[in-house]
Amino acid sequence: GEQVEQLPSILRVQEGSSASINCTYENSASNYFPWYKQEPGENPKLIIDIRSNMERKQTQGLIVLLDKKAKRFSLHITDTQPGDSAMYFCAASKASGSWQLIFGSGTQLTVMP
Amino acid sequence: EAAVTQSPRSKVAVTGGKVTLSCHQTNNHDYMYWYRQDTGHGLRLIHYSYVADSTEKGDIPDGYKASRPSQENFSLILELASLSQTAVYFCASSGRESNTEVFFGKGTRLTVV
Repeated sequence: GEQVEQLPSILRVQEGSSASINCTYENSASNYFPWYKQEPGENPKLIIDIRSNMERKQTQGLIVLLDKKAKRFSLHITDTQPGDSAMYFCAASKASGSWQLIFGSGTQLTVMP
Repeated sequence: EAAVTQSPRSKVAVTGGKVTLSCHQTNNHDYMYWYRQDTGHGLRLIHYSYVADSTEKGDIPDGYKASRPSQENFSLILELASLSQTAVYFCASSGRESNTEVFFGKGTRLTVV
């Protein structure tokens, strides 16, 4: 079946530095790419998303880039803080207009003080 | 905030036994989903539903049944629980429009022994 590959699976950064997570998808018809943050014992929560009519989106220290040609999208967290430590999941819609999401395998981010 | 409530939050089941996981949403959402989370696999879709009294197979439906008796409620049923079904299960809901936020419950940790 369709897959979304997410790398790295583990990421450790120093407080104040940037963190980057990369995802690739298979279906060129995918048009919606959300990112979810999951803290220990909690439910995943949407932090930012991007649609295929955009190449870049930024909100509150988060930047998402989308390269449709390469079928690649990425999350960049600037000026990381200990509170950013969590599991992050990327996802891609199964097809254009589909309600179904395919999730990446997750990145465990640790921000070290 | 949109609310998705799962019960129980954790459960230990015996191999071969029947397990029912329940989910209730107060978001007035049409779509409901059951995901399974395993280390290294992210979130994988088991079953989903877009209307009461109807369910659809997701990416990994084998060994699971689903039931949507009303718009608010969506259950996941393991008729014959197996060791390989030990995982964390998340229920989620989303609105009628595609490419919108999916709201997750807090998860059910199921251990099959």
